[in-house]
Amino acid sequence: DTEVTQTPKHLVMGMTNKKSLKCEQHMGHRAMYWYKQKAKKPPELMFVYSYEKLSINESVPSRFSPECPNSSLLNLHLHALQPEDSALYLCASSPGGQVLRRQPQHFGDGTRLSIL
Amino acid sequence: GQQVMQIPQYQHVQEGEDFTTYCNSSTTLSNIQWYKQRPGGHPVFLIQLVKSGEVKKQKRLTFQFGEAKKNSSLHITATQTTDVGTYFCAGRGAGNMLTFGGGTRLMVKP
Repeated sequence: DTEVTQTPKHLVMGMTNKKSLKCEQHMGHRAMYWYKQKAKKPPELMFVYSYEKLSINESVPSRFSPECPNSSLLNLHLHALQPEDSALYLCASSPGGQVLRRQPQHFGDGTRLSIL
Repeated sequence: GQQVMQIPQYQHVQEGEDFTTYCNSSTTLSNIQWYKQRPGGHPVFLIQLVKSGEVKKQKRLTFQFGEAKKNSSLHITATQTTDVGTYFCAGRGAGNMLTFGGGTRLMVKP
């Protein structure tokens, strides 16, 4: 069981659709992350939120738009995606504060996204 | 940016055999973390190493951090089928954030 909940678990969408991925944690963590993971590859960092503010955007295309409505929630809004965007999208959280790279990250189960 | 390299990519072992995966960095790491991802699952944090030469054990798993803090290893003694999965090391990468190594996929034959 994971303490980071992601919905939906699976998503199939067309290239013209708009959809959102959701992530929720109730561990009181103040840092939240979005990763993209292709098959047989490591997770690749996309965005980092620290205290509800976007602190890192790893040059992600604008068709991916993150949002952090409050300290427990993290969304990823999707629009006009490409077939190569098909992947597992993982949300993670960590306690927050300084030196994020020294904090263990707790991952959700991910959303498996397929773009038709 | 800094890269964290991991070898081997794949390892098949017979149940009961030992297994080791290695992680190398071109620059000194302040810390290194290890994660395990089961097939179809998500990465799960195993451990963090911070000190030069540090060795930590979790049952059959032994984690080491090199004296120069540029390499690390994970050793599993007497593998079991429950050890199947991909083991990732993670260290500081570009942007001062955690970057995952390529992972070592462990397969265990019963």
